[in-house]
Amino acid sequence: AQKITQTQPGMFVQEKEAVTLDCTYDTSDPSYGLFWYKQPSSGEMIFLIYQGSYDQQNATEGRYSLNFQKARKSANLVISASQLGDSAMYFCAMREVQGAQKLVFGQGTRLTINP
Amino acid sequence: NAGVMQNPRHLVRRRGQEARLRCSPMKGHSHVYWYRQLPEEGLKFMVYLQKENIIDESGMPKERFSAEFPKEGPSILRIQQVVRGDSAAYFCASSPQGETNEQYFGPGTRLTVT
Repeated sequence: AQKITQTQPGMFVQEKEAVTLDCTYDTSDPSYGLFWYKQPSSGEMIFLIYQGSYDQQNATEGRYSLNFQKARKSANLVISASQLGDSAMYFCAMREVQGAQKLVFGQGTRLTINP
Repeated sequence: NAGVMQNPRHLVRRRGQEARLRCSPMKGHSHVYWYRQLPEEGLKFMVYLQKENIIDESGMPKERFSAEFPKEGPSILRIQQVVRGDSAAYFCASSPQGETNEQYFGPGTRLTVT
């Protein structure tokens, strides 16, 4: 069965610093996708970045990058030059390519950016 | 291009009443997923539907919960005889046909059972 683990319930970071949010996963499927979503206090789920299990390079989207270490089964999100608007809950999720393609989410990390 | 629409955004029901949550996927999307988020938790998969078909309902509670995605109209998540434990945010996501890297989420419906 798929499992996503986010071990940091909360993180506090100074504005403009970089921050790494941890995510480890477990799956027996050789083909899968990893996602990060941001959930601000308003509640919507905002897609940030995607990494495929066979992608050779780490995914990047603007200030977001995904540190994908397949052997360690980790997919950490790195946010560079953090901004006050980055304060939110962040969820790591995984989808196996085979089957129903449902997303399995971690418990989330609440990130607070201090001015 | 409108995104995934969910209504109502907030729903209050008394114990024992029925709750109907609606989801209109993005234009051209034929796959709909429902997820539930309890307070301070991640989203949990409930059901995956295509038009007129339930593909995977492994996350649905065995009783009181049902879902449909008719040929015409929105997808409906129905909760009968609601209890306080059903209070949660219910999110719908849609994706186009075939393998895709992303599910597009709606804004969610926050159900409160009093």
